Amino acid sequence: DGGITQSPKYLFRKEGQNVTLSCEQNLNHDAMYWYRQDPGQGLRLIYYSQIVNDFQKGDIAEGYSVSREKKESFPLTVTSAQKNPTAFYLCASGTSGNTGELFFGEGSRLTVL
Amino acid sequence: GESVGLHLPTLSVQEGDNSIINCAYSNSASDYFIWYKQESGKGPQFIIDIRSNMDKRQGQRVTVLLNKTVKHLSLQIAATQPGDSAVYFCAEIRSGTYKYIFGTGTRLKVLA
Repeated sequence: DGGITQSPKYLFRKEGQNVTLSCEQNLNHDAMYWYRQDPGQGLRLIYYSQIVNDFQKGDIAEGYSVSREKKESFPLTVTSAQKNPTAFYLCASGTSGNTGELFFGEGSRLTVL
Repeated sequence: GESVGLHLPTLSVQEGDNSIINCAYSNSASDYFIWYKQESGKGPQFIIDIRSNMDKRQGQRVTVLLNKTVKHLSLQIAATQPGDSAVYFCAEIRSGTYKYIFGTGTRLKVLA
């Protein structure tokens, strides 16, 4: 079935460690996004990519990095520079050039110990 | 700055009643609006969308209304069921951008 797959679903990290969250889609979408969700808050944009080998910072990019080497994949690295990384992370994809809905993965919950 | 917000953080309704969830947006340049449903620990699911050239759009048990004069968006759920219990987000996007802006969400609780 077509969709977006995020992994891992749960991840624990010690302070000072970098972690990478995986996001893969087989919807043939050009655009991909990473959002952060904190309790009681709306989704905040971390990074987005409109096309392979291109990505743009969102509203809260500090302490995060991404790559877009393949159309299907948009991994997010949470670096040790991110001061408050414990959160629920959502990956999404959508078509480009024709505004439409975003399709979301099931999310990855990162907890820093 | 521009934002998408919600009037009520929590809405409790009796099973079988209709639910109305509201959303305000601040930028008249937004031309596409979406409602999402998010269950606990899961990713948001698309419910219904509407473009700015429309005032109303209906789906299965759901209706979205857009009032551009007061920059207001609403989601109506008919005959609310226990499975409708979730957090509902509205979102907007402006033409020529890829930046979807999400509201803070409203939690819908369906009472038996």
